[in-house]
Amino acid sequence: DSGVTQTPKHLITATGQRVTLRCSPRSGDLSVYWYQQSLDQGLQFLIQYYNGEERAKGNILERFSAQQFPDLHSELNLSSLELGDSALYFCASSVQGLDTQYFGPGTRLTVL
Amino acid sequence: QQQVKQSPQSLIVQKGGISIINCAYENTAFDYFPWYQQFPGKGPALLIAIRPDVSEKKEGRFTISFNKSAKQFSLHIMDSQPGDSATYFCAASIGDYGGATNKLIFGTGTLLAVQP
Repeated sequence: DSGVTQTPKHLITATGQRVTLRCSPRSGDLSVYWYQQSLDQGLQFLIQYYNGEERAKGNILERFSAQQFPDLHSELNLSSLELGDSALYFCASSVQGLDTQYFGPGTRLTVL
Repeated sequence: QQQVKQSPQSLIVQKGGISIINCAYENTAFDYFPWYQQFPGKGPALLIAIRPDVSEKKEGRFTISFNKSAKQFSLHIMDSQPGDSATYFCAASIGDYGGATNKLIFGTGTLLAVQP
């Protein structure tokens, strides 16, 4: 158990809908990273927050957004969902941002 | 330039044998090279990591060999066990110390099966 929690574990929704994925980092970790894992794209970095501020952006679609709250939990919002958004979404946390990233168990999103 | 190429895609090894997974990169600015292990239904877990100032790092049965001039690094699993059966990902990153960010670029993964 990495100490990173993600909810929900599974999410099934329809095209065009909006969902929110939640991540709670390990106690004391200030940085949260979001990654998408799909069969065709592999594991891809989406976005990183550090102590409430956006620090780095990767291959994140404009339909996706994220934020980190004062209690350091983070949410990834996915809107206007398409079939191709079906994937595993992982968050990872680290103490300061430059050190080891610990991954959560992931949220499996299925868009029908 | 930002890619990390991983091979093989899958690997079958007998119990007690050596598993070898290779990765190659182009961007010489990468300064951190971790290996992650992922079991079905779980998130990736850090196995071992190396920085480019070291040519080899060993932790138990797991060893990273790093060849800076060839821009390659590999994971060796000695005395492979059925419990090692998982997907292994290499990764690389450029530590942005000013921005406190270290986004990982992952290889495509290797599915390892260790037969008893």
